[in-house]
Amino acid sequence: AQKVTQAQTEISVVEKEDVTLDCVYETRDTTYYLFWYKQPPSGELVFLIRRNSFDEQNEISGRYSWNFQKSTSSFNFTITASQVVDSAVYFCALSEATGANNLFFGTGTRLTVIP
Amino acid sequence: GAGVSQSPRYKVAKRGQDVALRCDPISGHVSLFWYQQALGQGPEFLTYFQNEAQLDKSGLPSDRFFAERPEGSVSTLKIQRTQQEDSAVYLCASSLSGTGHSGNTIYFGEGSWLTVV
Repeated sequence: AQKVTQAQTEISVVEKEDVTLDCVYETRDTTYYLFWYKQPPSGELVFLIRRNSFDEQNEISGRYSWNFQKSTSSFNFTITASQVVDSAVYFCALSEATGANNLFFGTGTRLTVIP
Repeated sequence: GAGVSQSPRYKVAKRGQDVALRCDPISGHVSLFWYQQALGQGPEFLTYFQNEAQLDKSGLPSDRFFAERPEGSVSTLKIQRTQQEDSAVYLCASSLSGTGHSGNTIYFGEGSWLTVV
């Protein structure tokens, strides 16, 4: 069965600190896709990254970086030098290549960046 | 704008009332999805359209929920005889490809916030 676990419900950091949001997933498929979305108070889910199961290269985009490790079924997200605008709920999600069209979301991590 | 547009943004319904939520996907997007997000939870899949065809409705919680996309663009999610447990944010999303979620970037709207009193 598919499952995405975001164990951190809420995190608070002081501005300019680095923060890592954890994501652990479960799937029986060998081909799957992992996503991170940001949900600000407005409610819209903002796409951040998509990674397929065959690409374990870590990725960096500005202050954002992602660490994908198949051996531990984790896809963690790090924000470097956090800013107040980073405050939001962040969701990790899993999509399997076979069959279902579902995007399975974790329960989200609420990040608060304190000025 | 160029994003997914949903209306109404906020809806308060009396228990037993029918509601209709509208979604305008990104122009040209083949796939359209509806998700339900309860307070403090992640979004949960409701249904999926490829053009006008509803290919997956396995997530619809009951037969009171009905979705359509008759011309392959705008979609409507209808909830009949609303109940308090239907209170949630209903998110619409679209993607360019017609192959569902598999690897395609899914773009979400801001959601329709439904409160049933």
